[in-house]
Amino acid sequence: EAEVAQSPRYKITEKSQAVAFWCDPISGHATLYWYRQILGQGPELLVQFQDESVVDDSQLPKDRFSAERLKGVDSTLKIQPAELGDSAMYLCASSTPRGGNTDTQYFGPGTRLTVL
Amino acid sequence: GDSVTQMEGPVTLSEEAFLTINCTYTATGYPSLFWYVQYPGEGLQLLLKATKADDKGSNKGFEATYRKETTSFHLEKGSVQVSDSAVYFCALLDSSYKLIFGSGTRLLVRP
Repeated sequence: EAEVAQSPRYKITEKSQAVAFWCDPISGHATLYWYRQILGQGPELLVQFQDESVVDDSQLPKDRFSAERLKGVDSTLKIQPAELGDSAMYLCASSTPRGGNTDTQYFGPGTRLTVL
Repeated sequence: GDSVTQMEGPVTLSEEAFLTINCTYTATGYPSLFWYVQYPGEGLQLLLKATKADDKGSNKGFEATYRKETTSFHLEKGSVQVSDSAVYFCALLDSSYKLIFGSGTRLLVRP
């Protein structure tokens, strides 16, 4: 069964450092999402891509966060500089096989970020 | 804006007990509704979904019915197992295909 891949699974960094997370969606999925999940809370959307275009980045802290999906396949989320409050699980999801059901999002295993 | 409210946990049950986790939503229109499950240290797995009123989603013994009248999507299982221990999230898909999640309910099943 196809899965969403993410790396690294765990990342520990010091504040003010730069970090990057990678996501490879299910093959053929046009829509890619990055969510942030703070411990004890539900995930919240950071950015949504349709192919290589950003559809929604209204909740992305653009002074320090950036996201790209250059060829409309895999994606990178970057934080520079990291702050203590960025400690969270970063989840990637994909959906919308072309011509298929647009409802269901499939999630990767996530990257657990700890900022010291 | 759209929102989802779940009952607070943790919910602690003995094995083979009946499970109900309440979920209500506020939304414009009739969004698709989902239950996701998250095991410790892992991502979210889709458990079940319903796309229109009166639909019943079911999977692995879990089920939930889309109730338009009460704007609810409660999760139920007739006999829980220790392996069901996890955090359960109710979510709706808004008009821009963004998932809006509840805060999650932790389930602990004791042998």
